[in-house]
Amino acid sequence: GAVVSQHPSRVICKSGTSVKIECRSLDFQATTMFWYRQFPKKSLMLMATSNEGSKATYEQGVEKDKFLINHASLTLSTLTVTSAHPEDSSFYICSAGTSGRVTDTQYFGPGTRLTVL
Amino acid sequence: GENVEQHPSTLSVQEGDSAVIKCTYSDSASNYFPWYKQELGKRPQLIIDIRSNVGEKKDQRIAVTLNKTAKHFSLHITETQPEDSAVYFCAASRSGGYQKVTFGIGTKLQVIP
Repeated sequence: GAVVSQHPSRVICKSGTSVKIECRSLDFQATTMFWYRQFPKKSLMLMATSNEGSKATYEQGVEKDKFLINHASLTLSTLTVTSAHPEDSSFYICSAGTSGRVTDTQYFGPGTRLTVL
Repeated sequence: GENVEQHPSTLSVQEGDSAVIKCTYSDSASNYFPWYKQELGKRPQLIIDIRSNVGEKKDQRIAVTLNKTAKHFSLHITETQPEDSAVYFCAASRSGGYQKVTFGIGTKLQVIP
């Protein structure tokens, strides 16, 4: 099946620093990738839709200047949390969409646990 | 936008019994309904999905039913095993790959040995 990787898996940083998270589709091309945020024992909340070669589409309430998304190629999207604060601590998960296959679905990366001190 | 409601939020069953999780959706244009299983600290894993042109789909001990008129769909797990314990999310979208997916709040399933 389709494989999506995410790096790093865990990051701890000081308040005020920026953190970059990478999402890669390893064995397929993903025109569209999605970034989610998940708080403990909560559901996945879509933050933004990342389209290769164009600007990301952010969900209502998500600060685009704080959560910078770049989808530079068909296999890589990055999420940068700028000037991170403790309230940004969360589990960030990306997913990549496939189409044209027998199963037309989204596959998730393993997630990145961000802890801001 | 789409709104997906899921219940129950927690479910405990004895090993070997069946578990049923129900979801409703609001967007009549949604036509793809995946179910994900997420273990603690891990990524959601697709376990089964169904499209709007199908009323029921089964894969071994897992089945999903869809009532498009009523806008609800359900996950059925039979002969539950301890390894089925996890959080299950239903979701809905207008397609699979390129459209955003809206998730339910999740159901924490505990299978008691």
